[in-house]
Amino acid sequence: AQSVTQLGSHVSVSEGALVLLRCNYSSSVPPYLFWYVQYPNQGLQLLLKYTSAATLVKGINGFEAEFKKSETSFHLTKPSAHMSDAAEYFCAVSGGINDMRFGAGTRLTVKP
Amino acid sequence: GAGVSQSPRYKVAKRGQDVALRCDPISGHVSLFWYQQALGQGPEFLTYFQNEAQLDKSGLPSDRFFAERPEGSVSTLKIQRTQQEDSAVYLCASSLGAGVVYNEQFFGPGTRLTVL
Repeated sequence: AQSVTQLGSHVSVSEGALVLLRCNYSSSVPPYLFWYVQYPNQGLQLLLKYTSAATLVKGINGFEAEFKKSETSFHLTKPSAHMSDAAEYFCAVSGGINDMRFGAGTRLTVKP
Repeated sequence: GAGVSQSPRYKVAKRGQDVALRCDPISGHVSLFWYQQALGQGPEFLTYFQNEAQLDKSGLPSDRFFAERPEGSVSTLKIQRTQQEDSAVYLCASSLGAGVVYNEQFFGPGTRLTVL
């Protein structure tokens, strides 16, 4: 079985500051990992995914995440936050096929 | 538009009523998923269709929940005799092929169901 834990239900950063959203996974098989973003009144949108190729994955909007097997982590980062980054972010894990398990989400607030 | 659409966007039901939630996937998408997202939680898998075949319904919480996709395009999630614990946002997603890893899921905006 697979699961993810997102540390911190709310994260607040200043505009221009580093964004770090934490995700740890548990998986009995090599995991596939995902980050999604959800803006108000919109559907979830895929930011990036890890599929066992490069451990550092670059996504849209300047986000990236690094797969660290030793730490069972897949934290999401962005060097400089923008006001438009304010949203809910979900980490998800899949063991393959059609199974996908989401974390509880982290709400990112960006202060001017 | 070319995205996944869901209707209604908001639904208020009295406890015990039946509701039907509709999902229009992206045209040509083979796979269709339903998720339930409770307040403050991430989406939880309900059921999966590949074309018209319901291949996985392991996430449906009770036999009051029923989903169909008779022609392999539009899907309906039906909840009978709604209960307060059914209050949630119901998300639909579709993808071009089978398998979530290499086929991006495109999500609709969801239907917010409130059961009074």
